[in-house]
Amino acid sequence: DSGVTQTPKHLITATGQRVTLRCSPRSGDLSVYWYQQSLDQGLQFLIQYYNGEERAKGNILERFSAQQFPDLHSELNLSSLELGDSALYFCASSPGLAESTDTQYFGPGTRLTVL
Amino acid sequence: QQPVQSPQAVILREGEDAVINCSSSKALYSVHWYRQKHGEAPVFLMILLKGGEQKGHEKISASFNEKKQQSSLYLTASQLSYSGTYFCGTERIQGAQKLVFGQGTRLTINP
Repeated sequence: DSGVTQTPKHLITATGQRVTLRCSPRSGDLSVYWYQQSLDQGLQFLIQYYNGEERAKGNILERFSAQQFPDLHSELNLSSLELGDSALYFCASSPGLAESTDTQYFGPGTRLTVL
Repeated sequence: QQPVQSPQAVILREGEDAVINCSSSKALYSVHWYRQKHGEAPVFLMILLKGGEQKGHEKISASFNEKKQQSSLYLTASQLSYSGTYFCGTERIQGAQKLVFGQGTRLTINP
């Protein structure tokens, strides 16, 4: 158990819908990262937040957005869902110390299925 | 740019050794190794930093060749529990914290 929690564990929805995935980082960690893992794309970095501010952006679609709240939990919002958005979405957290290389600890993931 | 892992898959018998490589065309600051079992979260194994020493963890160790921008993960006397997909994540700049992962190497250990 990494200490990172994600809800829900599974999500089944229809094309065109909007969903919200939630992540609570390990106690004391300030950075939260979101990754998408699909069969043909591997682990793709989406976005990072540090202490409430967006810090780095990866291959995140405009239909996707994220935020980190004052209590440091984060939410990933996916809208206008398409079949190709079906994937495992992981959240990871790290202490987020500036200018250092942190270990990222991954949560159990949310499996999103778009029908 | 995504690092390239080799081999893509390997099948071993319990007790055999394996080497997994991770290569980048760009200069790297750090390489992070993870193991993931099917349907589960990636589990952190170790980090190798530019200028750092070879790391070890029980029978799993790794090295980082800065000149070649290549890291290798060594699994010796493999156990059934070592089965899974191994990913390397690379960081190009110190503190960037944004990892770019390779496509993974699937390791199967048979009794």
